[in-house]
Amino acid sequence: EIVLTQSPATLSLSPGERATLSCGASQSVSSSYLAWYQQKPGLAPRLLIYDASSRATGIPDRFSGSGSGTDFTLTISRLEPEDFAVYYCQQYGSSPRTFGQGTKVEIK
Amino acid sequence: EVQLVESGGGLVQPGRSLRLSCAASGFTFDDYAMHWVRQAPGKGLEWVSGISWNSGSIGYADSVKGRFTISRDNAKNSLYLQMNSLRAEDTALYYCAKDMDYGCSSTSCYPLDYWGQGTLVTVSS
Repeated sequence: EIVLTQSPATLSLSPGERATLSCGASQSVSSSYLAWYQQKPGLAPRLLIYDASSRATGIPDRFSGSGSGTDFTLTISRLEPEDFAVYYCQQYGSSPRTFGQGTKVEIK
Repeated sequence: EVQLVESGGGLVQPGRSLRLSCAASGFTFDDYAMHWVRQAPGKGLEWVSGISWNSGSIGYADSVKGRFTISRDNAKNSLYLQMNSLRAEDTALYYCAKDMDYGCSSTSCYPLDYWGQGTLVTVSS
């Protein structure tokens, strides 16, 4: 099983600032099959990024993903008020699929 | 419009069983692999199980293997999760979710692009 470790656990930033979230894998993620999801309280997760760097339909271009192998990054170039939420990475290249434990992006 | 509606959750005693259902609409259900993902109260996401479009490939998390069974009925556009020998640690909101693209012959092809709102399972005496 691939273990995903996200850092930091919490990121305290102000609107307009840049957010950089990390996701490390215990072994190489097949074909960069790595996704990022956003979850707000009381709502289901929303797909942001897939295949490590492709934006899902309707996702603003301030969200970008990068990385390969065992190290991946989600960057939010300028935080909007609606971006404060919890973010999860997930690998879907091998079974069982696994999620990271999440990074909470909170308002400073 | 894609819709996934879970049902079947509730309060159940440890050791008992429960069957969850997910009714799908707005897409060609039998083209897509489907999954169950759960979230314990205040915790993160955990992938539980997945099933390919034709039920030819099925996968489970180690935490539920041997206790949970995923299935689908393509004629009814429905996904199921039979949960046996339930434990307190199975308490969670259970989401149904679909693969982003179609034709996957395994459970490890695509991310999850649509999710239901979840059904709550509480295991307690």
